[in-house]
Amino acid sequence: AQSVAQPEDQVNVAEGNPLTVKCTYSVSGNPYLFWYVQYPNRGLQFLLKYITGDNLVKGSYGFEAEFNKSQTSFHLKKPSALVSDSALYFCAVRALSGSARQLTFGSGTQLTVLP
Amino acid sequence: DTEVTQTPKHLVMGMTNKKSLKCEQHMGHRAMYWYKQKAKKPPELMFVYSYEKLSINESVPSRFSPECPNSSLLNLHLHALQPEDSALYLCASSQGNRETQYFGPGTRLLVL
Repeated sequence: AQSVAQPEDQVNVAEGNPLTVKCTYSVSGNPYLFWYVQYPNRGLQFLLKYITGDNLVKGSYGFEAEFNKSQTSFHLKKPSALVSDSALYFCAVRALSGSARQLTFGSGTQLTVLP
Repeated sequence: DTEVTQTPKHLVMGMTNKKSLKCEQHMGHRAMYWYKQKAKKPPELMFVYSYEKLSINESVPSRFSPECPNSSLLNLHLHALQPEDSALYLCASSQGNRETQYFGPGTRLLVL
């Protein structure tokens, strides 16, 4: 079975500081990893994904994520946080092959950027 | 363009009502999904359509009935819902069932 852990329910960071939202995963075989963001009363918005290749993936709005196979992690990062980045962030995983064809989401991390 | 549209944005219904949620995408995606999301929780998969055929039903109660009239449209028919069915209902689509899913804005449903 595949699973995702987002160990922090809440992350607070000051505007202008770097931010990190943590994600670890468990999957059989190679993973297909995603980050989504959800603003209040909105749907999920795709930020970035990792399939293969460079371990540092760049996405929308200045976000990036680093894939670490040995630590089974896919942490979301941004060098300088904006107040408008405040939202709920979900990490998701699926196996590249095998029978687990659908996404498994983490529990979500509420990011608050303080002015 | 990665837009998925959903109507209505909000819906209030009684437990004896029949209503439908609609989802539309014009990206040529061949997989479409219904999710249910409670506040501050991750989305829960309900149904998956692949090439207009129902491929996954995650043991959803029969009071929820999906329909895929064509490759661009996905409906969710609601009947005799319970108050605990109140949630945000999200539609998503993807090129294939292994590809990135793009979500619509959701329908906020309140069952009284």
